[in-house]
Amino acid sequence: GAVVSQHPSWVICKSGTSVKIECRSLDFQATTMFWYRQFPKQSLMLMATSNEGSKATYEQGVEKDKFLINHASLTLSTLTVTSAHPEDSSFYICSARDPGVYGYTFGSGTRLTVV
Amino acid sequence: KQEVTQIPAALSVPEGENLVLNCSFTDSAIYNLQWFRQDPGKGLTSLLLIQSSQREQTSGRLNASLDKSSGRSTLYIAASQPGDSATYLCALPSGQAGTALIFGKGTTLSVSS
Repeated sequence: GAVVSQHPSWVICKSGTSVKIECRSLDFQATTMFWYRQFPKQSLMLMATSNEGSKATYEQGVEKDKFLINHASLTLSTLTVTSAHPEDSSFYICSARDPGVYGYTFGSGTRLTVV
Repeated sequence: KQEVTQIPAALSVPEGENLVLNCSFTDSAIYNLQWFRQDPGKGLTSLLLIQSSQREQTSGRLNASLDKSSGRSTLYIAASQPGDSATYLCALPSGQAGTALIFGKGTTLSVSS
Protein backbone atom coordinates (compact mmCIF):
# COMPACT_ATOMS: atom_id res chain seq x y z
CA GLY A 1 0.00 0.00 0.00
CA ALA A 2 0.89 3.66 -0.15
CA VAL A 3 3.64 4.59 2.30
CA VAL A 4 4.68 8.03 3.48
CA SER A 5 7.98 8.33 5.31
CA GLN A 6 8.61 11.28 7.63
CA HIS A 7 11.92 12.23 9.26
CA PRO A 8 13.03 12.93 11.85
CA SER A 9 10.59 11.34 14.26
CA TRP A 10 11.66 13.71 16.99
CA VAL A 11 13.97 16.69 17.28
CA ILE A 12 15.06 19.04 20.04
CA CYS A 13 16.46 22.39 19.03
CA LYS A 14 17.48 25.63 20.64
CA SER A 15 15.33 28.70 20.39
CA GLY A 16 16.23 30.75 17.32
CA THR A 17 17.49 27.87 15.21
CA SER A 18 15.80 26.28 12.19
CA VAL A 19 14.60 22.72 11.80
CA LYS A 20 13.80 20.85 8.59
CA ILE A 21 11.29 18.01 8.44
CA GLU A 22 11.13 15.72 5.41
CA CYS A 23 8.12 13.89 4.04
CA ARG A 24 8.57 11.32 1.28
CA SER A 25 6.10 9.22 -0.65
CA LEU A 26 7.90 5.91 -1.06
CA ASP A 27 5.91 4.01 -3.64
CA PHE A 28 3.83 6.62 -5.39
CA GLN A 29 4.09 10.12 -6.75
CA ALA A 30 2.36 12.87 -4.84
CA THR A 31 1.75 16.15 -6.59
CA THR A 32 0.12 17.38 -3.41
CA MET A 33 1.10 16.82 0.19
CA PHE A 34 -0.43 18.25 3.32
CA TRP A 35 1.19 19.44 6.53
CA TYR A 36 -0.70 19.27 9.80
CA ARG A 37 0.07 20.34 13.33
CA GLN A 38 -1.25 18.69 16.46
CA PHE A 39 -1.12 20.12 19.96
CA PRO A 40 -1.43 17.81 22.99
CA LYS A 41 -4.89 16.30 23.29
CA GLN A 42 -6.05 18.23 20.25
CA SER A 43 -6.92 17.10 16.77
CA LEU A 44 -4.92 17.69 13.62
CA MET A 45 -5.08 21.15 12.13
CA LEU A 46 -4.09 21.77 8.53
CA MET A 47 -1.18 24.18 8.21
CA ALA A 48 -0.56 24.18 4.49
CA THR A 49 -0.97 22.35 1.23
CA SER A 50 2.27 21.61 -0.56
CA ASN A 51 2.16 21.57 -4.35
CA GLU A 52 4.95 20.10 -6.46
CA GLY A 53 6.67 22.77 -8.49
CA SER A 54 4.69 25.67 -7.13
CA LYS A 55 4.16 27.67 -3.97
CA ALA A 56 2.45 26.16 -1.00
CA THR A 57 -0.98 27.29 0.08
CA TYR A 58 -1.10 28.27 3.74
CA GLU A 59 -4.10 28.22 6.02
CA GLN A 60 -5.23 31.41 7.65
CA GLY A 61 -3.11 32.28 10.63
CA VAL A 62 -0.08 30.23 9.58
CA GLU A 63 3.03 32.33 9.02
CA LYS A 64 4.47 31.41 5.65
CA ASP A 65 7.80 33.02 6.49
CA LYS A 66 8.14 30.92 9.62
CA PHE A 67 6.98 27.63 8.15
CA LEU A 68 8.75 27.27 4.81
CA ILE A 69 7.49 24.52 2.57
CA ASN A 70 9.32 23.17 -0.45
CA HIS A 71 7.94 20.50 -2.76
CA ALA A 72 10.73 20.14 -5.26
CA SER A 73 9.91 16.66 -6.52
CA LEU A 74 6.94 14.36 -6.84
CA THR A 75 8.09 12.33 -3.85
CA LEU A 76 9.50 14.87 -1.42
CA SER A 77 8.09 17.79 0.53
CA THR A 78 9.96 19.57 3.31
CA LEU A 79 8.78 21.80 6.12
CA THR A 80 11.35 24.12 7.65
CA VAL A 81 10.51 25.81 10.92
CA THR A 82 12.63 28.94 10.90
CA SER A 83 13.78 30.79 13.99
CA ALA A 84 11.95 28.31 16.15
CA HIS A 85 10.55 29.35 19.51
CA PRO A 86 9.13 27.30 22.37
CA GLU A 87 5.58 27.98 21.19
CA ASP A 88 6.43 26.15 17.96
CA SER A 89 6.88 22.96 19.97
CA SER A 90 4.29 20.55 18.64
CA PHE A 91 3.68 17.37 16.69
CA TYR A 92 3.97 17.91 12.93
CA ILE A 93 2.63 15.33 10.52
CA CYS A 94 2.45 15.12 6.74
CA SER A 95 0.02 13.36 4.48
CA ALA A 96 -0.39 12.46 0.84
CA ARG A 97 -2.96 10.79 -1.32
CA ASP A 98 -1.93 8.06 -3.70
CA PRO A 99 -3.81 8.81 -6.94
CA GLY A 100 -4.45 5.10 -7.32
CA VAL A 101 -6.05 4.89 -3.89
CA TYR A 102 -8.97 6.86 -2.54
CA GLY A 103 -7.73 7.35 1.00
CA TYR A 104 -4.94 9.39 2.52
CA THR A 105 -1.71 8.09 4.01
CA PHE A 106 0.09 9.80 6.84
CA GLY A 107 3.69 9.95 7.91
CA SER A 108 4.68 8.86 11.40
CA GLY A 109 4.96 12.45 12.57
CA THR A 110 7.73 14.61 14.04
CA ARG A 111 7.78 15.71 17.65
CA LEU A 112 9.48 19.12 17.76
CA THR A 113 10.65 20.50 21.09
CA VAL A 114 12.17 23.96 21.16
CA VAL A 115 14.15 24.78 24.29
CA LYS B 1 -17.54 25.24 6.29
CA GLN B 2 -17.46 21.55 7.14
CA GLU B 3 -17.28 20.75 10.85
CA VAL B 4 -16.67 17.30 12.31
CA THR B 5 -17.71 16.27 15.79
CA GLN B 6 -16.89 13.05 17.59
CA ILE B 7 -18.72 11.67 20.58
CA PRO B 8 -17.74 10.55 23.14
CA ALA B 9 -14.42 12.27 23.71
CA ALA B 10 -13.25 9.37 25.85
CA LEU B 11 -14.44 5.87 26.52
CA SER B 12 -13.32 3.17 28.95
CA VAL B 13 -14.58 -0.38 28.57
CA PRO B 14 -13.62 -3.83 29.82
CA GLU B 15 -12.14 -6.29 27.39
CA GLY B 16 -14.65 -8.12 25.23
CA GLU B 17 -17.25 -5.38 24.99
CA ASN B 18 -18.70 -4.24 21.70
CA LEU B 19 -18.63 -0.47 21.30
CA VAL B 20 -19.68 2.30 18.97
CA LEU B 21 -17.86 5.52 18.23
CA ASN B 22 -19.79 8.36 16.68
CA CYS B 23 -18.86 10.98 14.11
CA SER B 24 -21.12 13.74 12.80
CA PHE B 25 -20.52 16.30 10.07
CA THR B 26 -22.36 19.44 9.07
CA ASP B 27 -22.17 19.32 5.27
CA SER B 28 -23.62 16.15 3.79
CA ALA B 29 -22.05 16.78 0.37
CA ILE B 30 -19.02 14.65 1.16
CA TYR B 31 -16.76 12.72 -1.17
CA ASN B 32 -15.77 10.06 1.32
CA LEU B 33 -15.09 9.55 5.02
CA GLN B 34 -12.08 7.94 6.60
CA TRP B 35 -11.51 6.51 10.07
CA PHE B 36 -8.02 6.54 11.53
CA ARG B 37 -6.33 5.22 14.61
CA GLN B 38 -3.61 7.17 16.42
CA ASP B 39 -1.45 5.71 19.16
CA PRO B 40 0.16 8.17 21.62
CA GLY B 41 2.95 10.13 19.97
CA LYS B 42 2.52 8.31 16.70
CA GLY B 43 1.19 8.98 13.24
CA LEU B 44 -2.17 7.95 11.85
CA THR B 45 -3.13 4.51 10.65
CA SER B 46 -6.02 4.29 8.23
CA LEU B 47 -8.69 1.87 9.38
CA LEU B 48 -11.57 2.21 6.97
CA LEU B 49 -12.56 4.40 4.05
CA ILE B 50 -16.19 4.78 3.03
CA GLN B 51 -17.06 6.32 -0.29
CA SER B 52 -20.08 8.61 -0.42
CA SER B 53 -21.98 5.99 -2.42
CA GLN B 54 -21.41 3.30 0.20
CA ARG B 55 -23.33 2.58 3.37
CA GLU B 56 -20.68 0.64 5.23
CA GLN B 57 -17.25 -0.94 5.18
CA THR B 58 -15.88 -3.81 7.22
CA SER B 59 -12.39 -4.87 8.18
CA GLY B 60 -12.01 -7.66 10.69
CA ARG B 61 -13.65 -6.58 13.95
CA LEU B 62 -14.28 -3.08 12.64
CA ASN B 63 -17.36 -1.90 10.84
CA ALA B 64 -17.94 1.67 9.73
CA SER B 65 -21.29 2.96 8.54
CA LEU B 66 -22.19 6.15 6.74
CA ASP B 67 -25.50 8.00 6.62
CA LYS B 68 -24.92 11.07 4.49
CA SER B 69 -28.43 12.41 4.80
CA SER B 70 -28.17 12.65 8.57
CA GLY B 71 -24.51 13.63 8.54
CA ARG B 72 -23.37 10.69 10.63
CA SER B 73 -20.88 7.87 10.64
CA THR B 74 -20.29 5.22 13.25
CA LEU B 75 -17.33 2.97 13.91
CA TYR B 76 -18.31 -0.31 15.51
CA ILE B 77 -15.63 -2.33 17.27
CA ALA B 78 -16.55 -5.88 18.14
CA ALA B 79 -15.07 -7.85 21.01
CA SER B 80 -12.73 -5.07 22.10
CA GLN B 81 -9.17 -5.92 23.17
CA PRO B 82 -6.56 -3.98 25.19
CA GLY B 83 -4.63 -3.53 21.95
CA ASP B 84 -7.52 -1.46 20.63
CA SER B 85 -6.67 1.27 23.14
CA ALA B 86 -5.89 4.37 21.08
CA THR B 87 -7.47 7.56 19.79
CA TYR B 88 -9.86 7.11 16.89
CA LEU B 89 -10.24 9.97 14.45
CA CYS B 90 -12.89 10.60 11.85
CA ALA B 91 -11.95 12.74 8.84
CA LEU B 92 -13.45 14.02 5.60
CA PRO B 93 -12.02 15.92 2.65
CA SER B 94 -12.63 19.63 3.01
CA GLY B 95 -13.81 19.74 -0.58
CA GLN B 96 -13.62 17.48 -3.56
CA ALA B 97 -11.33 14.48 -3.79
CA GLY B 98 -7.71 15.30 -3.20
CA THR B 99 -8.29 18.21 -0.85
CA ALA B 100 -7.02 18.26 2.71
CA LEU B 101 -8.84 16.37 5.43
CA ILE B 102 -10.83 17.94 8.23
CA PHE B 103 -10.62 16.00 11.47
CA GLY B 104 -12.81 15.54 14.46
CA LYS B 105 -11.18 15.82 17.88
CA GLY B 106 -11.21 12.08 18.26
CA THR B 107 -12.41 9.51 20.76
CA THR B 108 -9.81 8.16 23.14
CA LEU B 109 -10.55 4.52 23.87
CA SER B 110 -9.18 2.57 26.79
CA VAL B 111 -9.84 -1.16 26.96
CA SER B 112 -8.94 -2.82 30.23
CA SER B 113 -8.06 -6.47 30.60
